[in-house]
Amino acid sequence: GAGVSQSPSNKVTEKGKDVELRCDPISGHTALYWYRQSLGQGLEFLIYFQGNSAPDKSGLPSDRFSAERTGGSVSTLTIQRTQQEDSAVYLCASSLGTRSEAFFGQGTRLTVV
Amino acid sequence: KQEVTQIPAALSVPEGENLVLNCSFTDSAIYNLQWFRQDPGKGLTSLLLIQSSQREQTSGRLNASLDKSSGRSTLYIAASQPGDSATYLCAVSGNTPLVFGKGTRLSVIA
Repeated sequence: GAGVSQSPSNKVTEKGKDVELRCDPISGHTALYWYRQSLGQGLEFLIYFQGNSAPDKSGLPSDRFSAERTGGSVSTLTIQRTQQEDSAVYLCASSLGTRSEAFFGQGTRLTVV
Repeated sequence: KQEVTQIPAALSVPEGENLVLNCSFTDSAIYNLQWFRQDPGKGLTSLLLIQSSQREQTSGRLNASLDKSSGRSTLYIAASQPGDSATYLCAVSGNTPLVFGKGTRLSVIA
């Protein structure tokens, strides 16, 4: 596709449920990032994938959060047993590599009720 | 640990003014610095990318400079327009993935 695509654009879930957020990066981009942006806050790094290297998971806030990237392309961020504090916009970005321009998707707005 | 600071946090200017947004970072070992724009409820739009070996980049009315040794970057916007109203974010890439500042919220008043 022409840009980074994220789905769904909005997700409302009940506390305690699991959710999956999807990111389709730009074709050919080997680097993929996930960030979280809470209301009125800056971007919080979650996880980074680069090619076939082990992902940098240093930003994941708890073991309820996990992410995978299948075939070096599509990535899924999974949040288990969601809590109200997980409510935020989850943003995905991709780039040709660490030293290249990063492009962001429109984000998934997650609301936990 | 890399930290990125943006000053001011918010800025309001009349249409037509030239303005400067500031970004500073603590670790000068960076690959590049990128400026983004974020409109309310939207994702981030890339404005300019400056590689660590470069001093500045220009795109239309935007000019970004980089002084890696002092850990500073500026985004200059010429002849501001109401459509420039948005939050501007800078981010650095280095040994850690993109680290963001908290942004400057710009309002251009017609």
